[in-house]
Parts: sequence; structure tokens; C-alpha cells
Amino acid sequence: QKEVEQNSGPLSVPEGAIASLNCTYSDRGSQSFFWYRQYSGKSPELIMSIYSNGDKEDGRFTAQLNKASQYVSLLIRDSQPSDSATYLCAVISDSNYQLIWGAGTKLIIKP
Amino acid sequence: DAGITQSPRHKVTETGTPVTLRCHQTENHRYMYWYRQDPGHGLRLIHYSYGVKDTDKGEVSDGYSVSRSKTEDFLLTLESATSSQTSVYFCAISSGGTKYFGPGTRLTVT
Repeated sequence: QKEVEQNSGPLSVPEGAIASLNCTYSDRGSQSFFWYRQYSGKSPELIMSIYSNGDKEDGRFTAQLNKASQYVSLLIRDSQPSDSATYLCAVISDSNYQLIWGAGTKLIIKP
Repeated sequence: DAGITQSPRHKVTETGTPVTLRCHQTENHRYMYWYRQDPGHGLRLIHYSYGVKDTDKGEVSDGYSVSRSKTEDFLLTLESATSSQTSVYFCAISSGGTKYFGPGTRLTVT
């Protein structure tokens, strides 16, 4: 059974600090990775995608991939209260090309 | 929001009754998905469709069936609802490798 693991949190971070979220995956052949944000009572929305060819930065968000250790990180710089949400990590399975989802990490940004 | 709507948005039903959830999209996407989301679990794929009348099972398909008679509509049916099917159900489409989700249906089976 292919798995994606995340710490459920909550992870509490002061406003303006860097929030660091991590995700580990079991399928060594996976090459596509996604971070979704989900506000309470809402649907998930994509914030970052990263592929096996390197890290990616988009505004305050940076996604990092460590294939040797099989984990993906999401860094949020200058954290804002509006970043408070659950962050879902998803990985495309190398065997059936379906997304495998982690259960999410709840992030709380404290003013 | 990728033009995805779900109906109903909330439903309470009794054990043993049939329930149908509807997903409607307006942008002619080929791939459509049904997921359920439960506390402590990631999103779990129930069924998906890759075209009209073309569907396949996901990882948690037992107790669910689907139909897609038109490109824009993907129906999820619980033939005989059980309490274990209490969940939030999300429909999604795939566009350019990205999943876009509908607003969700909260289903409670009593």
C-alpha cells in the first residue's frame, strides 16, 4: 500500500515567521508532488506542484524535494493569519498514476 | 472554481436508503473523480471517469456506483447507505495535471 504521511499538527507559528511543513512518501518511483491548501469547510486548492527536477519558489511559498530521503517540504515565509489552514500533500503513484493523499497538517498562524 | 458544482451540498439520510450525489462541470473536462474525506484520512478515491460511460474503481469503491451519461455530469450512488459512508464527498476534475475540486457534499447517514 503506497502511503503519504504528514504530521497532523496543529503547527502553531507566529505571524511573520517561517512555517515549515513536511510530508514523507513511500513510493520511491514517484516524480510528481503537490501541496494543496484547505480552509475549514472548503475544498482543497492547489498552491504548489513540484517535480523530480528540483525545488520551486512562488512568492512566499517554496516547495523542496528530497528524493533520497523521500520527503517533500513546503516553506511559507512571512506567515500571515490568512495562511491558517490545513495543508495536504499529494503524490502521484508510479504504479497507477493516481494521486495518493496525506491526511494533512493543520497550520495556525498566531497574530 | 473550474465551473464545478455539487448537489446537494448537505444531506441527512437513514441507513439502508439509496442516495445519489451529483457533480456538474461546465468546461468539458474529460476526467472526473469522486473522493471522500474523513478525519485522520487523506482524500480517498472512490471512482473516476475518463469519458462518457467510461468509469473505473478507486481504492474505496465498495458500496458505491457511478454513472456518466453526459460529459458534464458524474453521478455517485450509494445503493444502500450505511453509517460508515457518513463523510464529505468531493468531486474533482483534472486539467493540465491539476485537480480542481467542487465545493463538497456533507452526507450524514443516521
